[in-house]
Amino acid sequence: NAGVTQTPKFQVLKTGQSMTLQCAQDMNHNSMYWYRQDPGMGLRLIYYSASEGTTDKGEVPNGYNVSRLNKREFSLRLESAAPSQTSVYFCASSGISGYSNQPQHFGDGTRLSIL
Amino acid sequence: LAKTTQPISMDSYEGQEVNITCSHNNIATNDYITWYQQFPSQGPRFIIQGYKTKVTNEVASLFIPADRKSSTLSLPRVSLSDTAVYYCLVYSSASKIIFGSGTRLSIRP
Repeated sequence: NAGVTQTPKFQVLKTGQSMTLQCAQDMNHNSMYWYRQDPGMGLRLIYYSASEGTTDKGEVPNGYNVSRLNKREFSLRLESAAPSQTSVYFCASSGISGYSNQPQHFGDGTRLSIL
Repeated sequence: LAKTTQPISMDSYEGQEVNITCSHNNIATNDYITWYQQFPSQGPRFIIQGYKTKVTNEVASLFIPADRKSSTLSLPRVSLSDTAVYYCLVYSSASKIIFGSGTRLSIRP
């Protein structure tokens, strides 16, 4: 059972470079989410997609774009990476039935460093 | 947004029962209370969710008083492997999700 799969697991970028983080889930979930977690902090929601074809901003969307490619896949793009975006990025999914308070299932994260 | 307040850290010993209380004074009618566990270098893992009274599953219990302004996660007979950060969330939709800093639980032999 793969659950939520994130690629890559680690990445180092230079300031100004672009990158896309990939996320896929195999649980037939409707909703998907992208979070970032800075050292010693809780997770902060960047963007979410309540269902295929829709995306919405979360708490910290600036500097990011997302694409809900299909029901399984939700990607996060950094167009021009900045050192402040150095973080661990988590993807999550939830909701077979569509209720948005259902528990979320998380991937193992992408550790991104921007020099 | 329903902000939550939890202790920053707690210590306990193997075999003890651990209770972590979360305060959420501004909880809305449609909000559910959800607890997650996070180990280092891993994503959070769902533990338990409830709306009112008491919920129990194979790993924990969740106690919610009638006014729903607080909740208590109870971990029975903890072991070293329960050392983790525990997050209390209160939300009814994705736009209201706030993780906060969580409670760092340390279990000693």
